Amino acid sequence: AAGVIQSPRHLIKEKRETATLKCYPIPRHDTVYWYQQGPGQDPQFLISFYEKMQSDKGSIPDRFSAQQFSDYHSELNMSSLELGDSALYFCASRLSGSDSYEQYFGPGTRLTVT
Amino acid sequence: GQSLEQPSEVTAVEGAIVQINCTYQTSGFYGLSWYQQHDGGAPTFLSYNALDGLEETGRFSSFLSRSDSYGYLLLQELQMKDSASYFCAHHLNQAGTALIFGKGTTLSVSS
Repeated sequence: AAGVIQSPRHLIKEKRETATLKCYPIPRHDTVYWYQQGPGQDPQFLISFYEKMQSDKGSIPDRFSAQQFSDYHSELNMSSLELGDSALYFCASRLSGSDSYEQYFGPGTRLTVT
Repeated sequence: GQSLEQPSEVTAVEGAIVQINCTYQTSGFYGLSWYQQHDGGAPTFLSYNALDGLEETGRFSSFLSRSDSYGYLLLQELQMKDSASYFCAHHLNQAGTALIFGKGTTLSVSS
């Protein structure tokens, strides 16, 4: 079965640079969630989209923005990167209205800011 | 505010049974989920409880008591591959919305 795809899997950037992370949800899934997980920490919710509209906003810095496109893929844009942005970034997807509330997580993008 | 409390570490031996507790505080409750995460891997869904009682899925069971704001994950017949982090989580503002995770419990299974 198809899973959530994230690209790139690894990314190294310098401080003050920009980065774009991409997420391709499971086919037919219309809801995408972004999470940030620092070393040894729990995943922190950043932002979510349903049917291309932002549905909820978590602890996403103003330096970050995101959107969901007509094919339901999503991109997380990060600017003015800081050392503290180094983390694993997960995208998860779900089909709204399904009986299960399971979120399907992608393999993550490991961002290292130097 | 919203918070979930769970033990930081649990250790057990192969074949044993372990229970990971989770207590929560939330302004609105929309069910309790459990996710497993191996080191460096993606969280994977284990179970979801919306109503009081026990849900069983193979070697794993999850329990919820809404009146006590408490749940637990029960892992039976532990195997080495069960060594991972386990997170309880609830939904941000209704079932199906973003997950708010607890700090996670690291389970170490030894032979």
